[in-house]
Amino acid sequence: EIVLTQSPGTLSLSPGERATLSCRASQNVGSRYLVWYQQKPGQAPRLLIYGTSNRATGIPDRFSGSGSGTDFTLMISRLEPEDFAVYYCQHYGLSRHTFGQGTKLQIK
Amino acid sequence: QVHLVESGGGLVKPGGSLRLSCEASGFPLSDYYMHWIRQAPGKGLEWISYSGSGVGYTDYADSVKDRFTISRDNAKNSLYLQMNNLRVEDTAVYYCAKGANLDSWGQGTLVTVST
Repeated sequence: EIVLTQSPGTLSLSPGERATLSCRASQNVGSRYLVWYQQKPGQAPRLLIYGTSNRATGIPDRFSGSGSGTDFTLMISRLEPEDFAVYYCQHYGLSRHTFGQGTKLQIK
Repeated sequence: QVHLVESGGGLVKPGGSLRLSCEASGFPLSDYYMHWIRQAPGKGLEWISYSGSGVGYTDYADSVKDRFTISRDNAKNSLYLQMNNLRVEDTAVYYCAKGANLDSWGQGTLVTVST
């Protein structure tokens, strides 16, 4: 069973700064099925990035994803106030999906 | 426009049952994988079940296997989750989500299992 470990658990930054979030897989997962979601309090998660680096519809270009194998990164180039939220990475196989434990991005 | 609406949550005693529904609109359910994901209060996301677009393709997380059953009625464009033998640790918001990438989610329905 694949385990995804996200770091840091909490990231404190100011608007305008760059955010770098990490997701490490316990084994090689390639790049095709690695996904990132954003969740704000009281809301459902929203798809941000699929296939490691493809932005979902309507996602601003300040969000970017990269990586392969076991190490993946979500970068937010210049933080906007609405970007402060919890971010989850996720991998899926034939049917099962595995989530990381999340990184909380909070205002410093 | 894709829209998913979950219903059927509520308060139930341990050992009890509930049936959740997810009504889909804006796309043909028959063409898509569908999933149930849950989130316990203050915790992260947990995938719990999958329904393939073909007949009979289902899968479950170990935590719910043999207790929960996913099904769909493509004619009604609806997805279901039958939950039996509920435990306190099943308390969570339950979301349905569309597609392999979970590209659309409902707003969730809260299930509380408590005495």
